[in-house]
Amino acid sequence: DVKVTQSSRYLVKRTGEKVFLECVQDMDHENMFWYRQDPGLGLRLIYFSYDVKMKEKGDIPEGYSVSREKKERFSLILESASTNQTSMYLCASSPRGRLGTEAFFGQGTRLTVV
Amino acid sequence: GESVGLHLPTLSVQEGDNSIINCAYSNSASDYFIWYKQESGKGPQFIIDIRSNMDKRQGQRVTVLLNKTVKHLSLQIAATQPGDSAVYFCAEILFSGGYNKLIFGAGTRLAVHP
Repeated sequence: DVKVTQSSRYLVKRTGEKVFLECVQDMDHENMFWYRQDPGLGLRLIYFSYDVKMKEKGDIPEGYSVSREKKERFSLILESASTNQTSMYLCASSPRGRLGTEAFFGQGTRLTVV
Repeated sequence: GESVGLHLPTLSVQEGDNSIINCAYSNSASDYFIWYKQESGKGPQFIIDIRSNMDKRQGQRVTVLLNKTVKHLSLQIAATQPGDSAVYFCAEILFSGGYNKLIFGAGTRLAVHP
């Protein structure tokens, strides 16, 4: 059974803290993604990675960074958490390829910044 | 620009009826589309996909229709069941620079009433 696992379901952090969200996939996928999900806005792409040590900015990268040191792990970093980063964060992975690919999602991390 | 949107934010149906969820996309270069289902507290799950060279694809109780002329996508669920209650997202895939980029719409909530 394929699996994308996010390290935490719920997190509460203080403004200004450095926050790490971890994601691990066991499918040997090349592509990994971080999205945030907010009501009425759907899923917005923060960053993605198509290979180890490679990263690309998505649509809303400001205030975030990422790390991909190993193929199975993709970390999202909030350098200095702010209240407007309170959201649901979703990690996904997909195999490399032009067509016939789909993204598998983790269960999400609901982050609250107070 | 790149965008995927949905016509209706909420859809209420009676159990046993058929449901139709609509989606508009704006990028004519997209060559692959996916429907996801997200239940409360879970990450999105793949339902069905369709390539741009197809007009229709059927799965178990679900059918996806693609109209490239008007850039419209729909998901039809036959004999809707209470377990179908969820938020449904359409997503388009753009293949660029060697990777797949998933672009999501805002989502439609499907509420199934007994």
